[in-house]
Amino acid sequence: GAVVSQHPSWVICKSGTSVKIECRSLDFQATTMFWYRQFPKQSLMLMATSNEGSKATYEQGVEKDKFLINHASLTLSTLTVTSAHPEDSSFYICSARDPGDRYSPLHFGNGTRLTVT
Amino acid sequence: RKEVEQDPGPFNVPEGATVAFNCTYSNSASQSFFWYRQDCRKEPKLLMSVYSSGNEDGRFTAQLNRASQYISLLIRDSKLSDSATYLCVVYRYNFNKFYFGSGTKLNVKP
Repeated sequence: GAVVSQHPSWVICKSGTSVKIECRSLDFQATTMFWYRQFPKQSLMLMATSNEGSKATYEQGVEKDKFLINHASLTLSTLTVTSAHPEDSSFYICSARDPGDRYSPLHFGNGTRLTVT
Repeated sequence: RKEVEQDPGPFNVPEGATVAFNCTYSNSASQSFFWYRQDCRKEPKLLMSVYSSGNEDGRFTAQLNRASQYISLLIRDSKLSDSATYLCVVYRYNFNKFYFGSGTKLNVKP
């Protein structure tokens, strides 16, 4: 089945630094990828939708200059958390659906647990 | 009104019990339906897609009622390993967007 790979699985960084998270679709071409964030004991929250070759669409309240999304190829999307602060510590999960399958479910990466100290 | 609504639970059931979750969605144009399970501190994993005629996978049965705009998941013979949060997800093709319920927490007790 379709697989989405996300890297790294976890990262600890110092406040003020930037962190890049990669998301790859391994056996299908993802024209769209979805980035979610989840705080402990809360629901998944959609942050943005990345579109291959064009600008990402951000959800209301998500700062596009802080969460930079690049979707340069049909199999790779990256999320960069710029100037990270402790309140950015969260579980970030990417996902994609197979555009070749009208009834495709959403395939999730394993998630990245970010801790900002 | 939320696009997808679920009872957050928790549902506390003994091993071997049958438990059912319901989920309602607000937009009749919704086109694909799914149940995911999410374990603590993990990503959601697809449990099953939900088809109009209903479908079964082992101990799990999913039903879709388009007229009433609800989806159900039935778990028979609950196992301890079924303890998780179950997410109802709806996809709207024209918007290319997935809508998530807040999840229903299930605790299966020995």
